Amino acid sequence: ETGVTQSPTHLIKTRGQQVTLRCSSQSGHNTVSWYQQALGQGPQFIFQYYREEENGRGNFPPRFSGLQFPNYSSELNVNALELDDSALYLCASSLAGTSGSTGELFFGEGSRLTVL
Amino acid sequence: DQQVKQNSPSLSVQEGRISILNCDYTNSMFDYFLWYKKYPAEGPTFLISISSIKDKNEDGRFTVFLNKSAKHLSLHIVPSQPGDSAVYFCAAVGYRSARQLTFGSGTQLTVLP
Repeated sequence: ETGVTQSPTHLIKTRGQQVTLRCSSQSGHNTVSWYQQALGQGPQFIFQYYREEENGRGNFPPRFSGLQFPNYSSELNVNALELDDSALYLCASSLAGTSGSTGELFFGEGSRLTVL
Repeated sequence: DQQVKQNSPSLSVQEGRISILNCDYTNSMFDYFLWYKKYPAEGPTFLISISSIKDKNEDGRFTVFLNKSAKHLSLHIVPSQPGDSAVYFCAAVGYRSARQLTFGSGTQLTVLP
């Protein structure tokens, strides 16, 4: 059983650029969520994808967008990068339809984005 | 406005003693609570959870207590081991937002040998 993998692990961008982060979900999982973790803070929910459609969104502007592919892998895209976008971006997968509202997620190691 | 709060950024405990990590929440719609552990350069890993219909859940050395009236939960680790040194995040999820976790800011636990 493969876990959640993310790429790249580290990257540096400049303000105004665009970035794409990638995530492969754990085998058998059909739901992918993305979280932003700023330094010294807990992860903040960005959005969730289920069956290739956005299924819930946190308090993030439209320049944060995503995709889920038929194999359940996912991308997070951020346009017009700002300095405050510097953070660890975590992808998490789960299997929808199990255990009601339980929130157990399986996280990847994250992609650390630095915006200069 | 933080809906899940961990007011202690750090905690140090001697090996073999009890570690108690605390978490408070404000949203009455939360009905499931989880603790995650995070080592440096790794993603958070699930540790233990509790439903709002219970007040205690135990798994080996880890026990989570929930006090709904006080909107407070705590994680007890007994006995604490050096390998438990990590950042611990409290998280909550509401019935209508399955798997959309709201996290606290974390507590760095250091278990001293």
